[in-house]
Amino acid sequence: ELKVEQNPLFLSMQEGKNYTIYCNYSTTSDRLYWYRQDPGKSLESLFVLLSNGAVKQEGRLMASLDTKARLSTLHITAAVHDLSATYFCAVDSRGGATNKLIFGTGTLLAVQP
Amino acid sequence: GAGVSQTPSNKVTEKGKYVELRCDPISGHTALYWYRQSLGQGPEFLIYFQGTGAADDSGLPNDRFFAVRPEGSVSTLKIQRTERGDSAVYLCASSLFRSTGELFFGEGSRLTVL
Repeated sequence: ELKVEQNPLFLSMQEGKNYTIYCNYSTTSDRLYWYRQDPGKSLESLFVLLSNGAVKQEGRLMASLDTKARLSTLHITAAVHDLSATYFCAVDSRGGATNKLIFGTGTLLAVQP
Repeated sequence: GAGVSQTPSNKVTEKGKYVELRCDPISGHTALYWYRQSLGQGPEFLIYFQGTGAADDSGLPNDRFFAVRPEGSVSTLKIQRTERGDSAVYLCASSLFRSTGELFFGEGSRLTVL
């Protein structure tokens, strides 16, 4: 059974600082997704990573995938308050056959001024 | 519509009652998913439809939960004899078949069982 773990679960950081969120998963998959969720809102897709070594960047966020290590990272550069949200990684449990995603428990990011 | 639409946005019911939650996916998306999210947790997979048929219902917690998609578009999640533990946000998502696998989520239906 596929398990997806994120750490840290909670991250408080100051504006302007850099940090990385980690996502580990337990079985082979080469499809990984990052989502953002604001309080009381639904999930917004951030990144789609579809192969080993994939790297995507959008603004102050950069995501990468290492399928051999079963690890994805979400790197935050020079954080700003607007990035405060909960971030989820999700892994396709069947390599794209069904798009059934298994989500991690999430990382609550709080960016302090 | 432009995005995934879910109704109702909020539903408060009493223990033992029957509840229906509706999802209208993005036009042209053949795959539809139901997830459940409890407070402070990640979304938990319930069921997945490809067209009209349930391709994977392994996440439904018990036989009180049932979902249909009779015409391959709108789906209804049905919960019988609701229990307090069913309280959660029920999220619906859709995607294109054989696509990148990116799921597009609706705003969710918040269910509270008193």
